[in-house]
Amino acid sequence: DAKTTQPTSMDCAEGRAANLPCNHSTISGNEYVYWYRQIHSQGPQYIIHGLKNNETNEMASLIITEDRKSSTLILPHATLRDTAVYYCIVRVSGYALNFGKGTSLLVTP
Amino acid sequence: ETGVTQTPRHLVMGMTNKKSLKCEQHLGHNAMYWYKQSAKKPLELMFVYNFKEQTENNSVPSRFSPECPNSSHLFLHLHTLQPEDSALYLCASSQESSGRGQEQFFGPGTRLTVL
Repeated sequence: DAKTTQPTSMDCAEGRAANLPCNHSTISGNEYVYWYRQIHSQGPQYIIHGLKNNETNEMASLIITEDRKSSTLILPHATLRDTAVYYCIVRVSGYALNFGKGTSLLVTP
Repeated sequence: ETGVTQTPRHLVMGMTNKKSLKCEQHLGHNAMYWYKQSAKKPLELMFVYNFKEQTENNSVPSRFSPECPNSSHLFLHLHTLQPEDSALYLCASSQESSGRGQEQFFGPGTRLTVL
């Protein structure tokens, strides 16, 4: 699976959009981009995934660049409950989700 | 609620004890996973079961023994653990383990402390 690079931490004001970047320059054509988040001391929560096209669901939007070497997770109106560690994972198939260190997002009042 | 439950939520055990962690999924999935999350370290995959068959053992010490009696239940039997085994143990499930574009659903975890 391709390696991902994310900033260690980010801050966002409540009510504003949170834009979390992820670099995956070695991604191959059949690898998906997944986003999970983990609120303190809880199990990870699936957010969204995509292959080539941008995706949107009730939680977030995923923007993947045309060359697929980077992506951005967008939380359109961040709330305090969105404070968590966000993991960007690239995976083709198989069993494991290779969680890295993720981005620690702090949403402030 | 993700449809994956784990019991107990917290466990304290001595190094000579034998205990078991239980995971149950109510999602009709066929793959189940054990992950370990130590303090300040990324999640580490331990075991994978697909259709009740163990398909991956990520070099886990034999003091951890998984059991998958059916597609809905997964156990992790613990014996003669070490203090460094203290961690959050997470169970997850997915439709099946080899497909692409499939998300995994995680339970809340069991916080294990080995004294």
